[in-house]
Parts: sequence; structure tokens; C-alpha cells
Amino acid sequence: EAGVAQSPRYKIIEKRQSVAFWCNPISGHATLYWYQQILGQGPKLLIQFQNNGVVDDSQLPKDRFSAERLKGVDSTLKIQPAKLEDSAVYLCASSPGQGANTEAFFGQGTRLTVV
Amino acid sequence: AQSVTQPDIHITVSEGASLELRCNYSYGATPYLFWYVQSPGQGLQLLLKYFSGDTLVQGIKGFEAEFKRSQSSFNLRKPSVHWSDAAEYFCAVSTGNNAGNMLTFGGGTRLMVKP
Repeated sequence: EAGVAQSPRYKIIEKRQSVAFWCNPISGHATLYWYQQILGQGPKLLIQFQNNGVVDDSQLPKDRFSAERLKGVDSTLKIQPAKLEDSAVYLCASSPGQGANTEAFFGQGTRLTVV
Repeated sequence: AQSVTQPDIHITVSEGASLELRCNYSYGATPYLFWYVQSPGQGLQLLLKYFSGDTLVQGIKGFEAEFKRSQSSFNLRKPSVHWSDAAEYFCAVSTGNNAGNMLTFGGGTRLMVKP
């Protein structure tokens, strides 16, 4: 079974530029998450989708971050404009979405460096 | 709001020695608790989880964890550490919902293994 796919693996941009990350969850997984992991910290949830709807985006900085999952499968996370403090690894995860007694499977992440 | 504290940022143990990684959580309701491991450049892999029932849970790679409600702790243990266990370990608590788990992670403990 293929895992959670993310691209690109690495991205370097200048501040004030925009960037987008892509995630393809495990086939059949209804729930998709985006996490931000700043160096030396644990991951922090940004947004949770179930199918194509947002379950929770309370920690997403909506002035510059946006995310969509239009067809309920793959998802994109965008930052516009980027700031230096956005340098982090962006992790995508998916789960079957059948209640809390489920495991989330994580992708390898996209490492973003803002210079 | 829930929170997770991992008091030890770094731990070094000798190969073959026993290991205990500490985790304390703050959460008003019955918690769902998780331990994940992250190797360099990799995503997060679930080691074990606690939802209810037996407070001693077994996981993969020979790990186990014990839930102690009175101490708000969920410490991870392994009787004999292997060099391949060197990685970063994250404890997490979840606010479960119908779609899955929104994880709140601790800051992580980096494990180094001496030969």
C-alpha cells in the first residue's frame, strides 16, 4: 500500500514570495491533516479536512496560509507571502476518518526554507 | 486546551540498556495518547496508542507505555535499546472527533545510543 505522498521534498524561497505544497493521502482515507514542524519543536496542527470539508482550521494563520482539498482526495497548502518564521517542515497526514480510534499516517514532509 | 510536556530534550543511553522517556499531558477529559518516532528526514511513525482499557500498552519495535491517570503521565519504555532506536520521539494527546484525531504534540525527546 502506498503511503502519504508529498512534494516537493525541499523548497527554498525568498521572503514575500509564495509557495505551494502538495499532498496525496493514502487511497480511501477520508481525513487529511496538515502540520507545521518548526526545527526543534513538535508538529503543530494547521488544518484538518474530512473529504472536501474543513473540520478545523483554528490554528491556520489565514492572513497568509490557505489550504484546499477540492475533490476530497489530494490537497494543497499555500503560503502567500512567506515570512522568515514560516521556515519549517510541513507534514501531511491521513487517516480513514472513521472516528477517533484511528491512526494517522504521515508523509515525509516538505522542508521549507525562507531566506 | 490540551498540552503535552516532554521534560527531557536529549537522552543518551548505552546500547542494551533500558530506556524510559517521560511524557506528561494536560487534558480535561479522558485522553487519547500516542507515541510517535521520527528518524532524520522521515515522517512520523506510530509506535503505540492508548484509547482505553489496559493501562499498559504494547507497541512496535519492542516499546511499551503505561498510562497513569493520577500522574497525568504516559511514559514510554523499552527494556533493551538498539542502536537503530536513535531518533526523536514525540508524545501526543488527541482531541478525537468523528473524523479522526487532532494531535497536540510535545516538544520531543532526542535519543542517542552509545555503542
